[in-house]
Amino acid sequence: GAGVSQSPSNKVTEKGKDVELRCDPISGHTALYWYRQRLGQGLEFLIYFQGNSAPDKSGLPSDRFSAERTGESVSTLTIQRTQQEDSAVYLCASSPLAGATYNEQFFGPGTRLTVL
Amino acid sequence: AQSVTQLGSHVSVSEGALVLLRCNYSSSVPPYLFWYVQYPNQGLQLLLKYTTGATLVKGINGFEAEFKKSETSFHLTKPSAHMSDAAEYFCAVSHSGGSNYKLTFGKGTLLTVNP
Repeated sequence: GAGVSQSPSNKVTEKGKDVELRCDPISGHTALYWYRQRLGQGLEFLIYFQGNSAPDKSGLPSDRFSAERTGESVSTLTIQRTQQEDSAVYLCASSPLAGATYNEQFFGPGTRLTVL
Repeated sequence: AQSVTQLGSHVSVSEGALVLLRCNYSSSVPPYLFWYVQYPNQGLQLLLKYTTGATLVKGINGFEAEFKKSETSFHLTKPSAHMSDAAEYFCAVSHSGGSNYKLTFGKGTLLTVNP
């Protein structure tokens, strides 16, 4: 079946503009995650959605960042008033279920965001 | 809080040589440990994971890793490197408590394989 898909694959924007990044998880996966990967850095956890539970937003770096998920499907990550330090690859992952035992996270190819 | 340290941002080996990528972690509770591989312009792919049980875990593409609690390490090895192994490798930790979905990643090690 299809894996996690993300769009756009590349986004170049001007400082101060808003951007929306999209993630389509694997069908049937209830958990969805967003990560940020800055150049030369590991992945930073941003936000986690699990079914109808309240999302864990503890990794969002500022109030300019927000994310939504419609049911157990598509998620969008929105960055308002982008800054140059927002330039990074934004990765989305999904997993069947997060519970007492670990479930493998399946990653999308990422969206490379460049803020000029 | 948990953290991951990968020693060496760039490792270069010859084809056929041993691959050793180092990972040390800190965690206040029993950890789950992972190695992911990222090929150019692709997402991360799980190589192997340790959750409980046998401390030597085998993954895809001939890779294996050993969980050593006393050394807080989870080094990745492969006896003989192939050109196709050239990629970036990330070590990650989550903990076995209620927030086990959160992965903390190391900064990555870029593996180059020379002919």
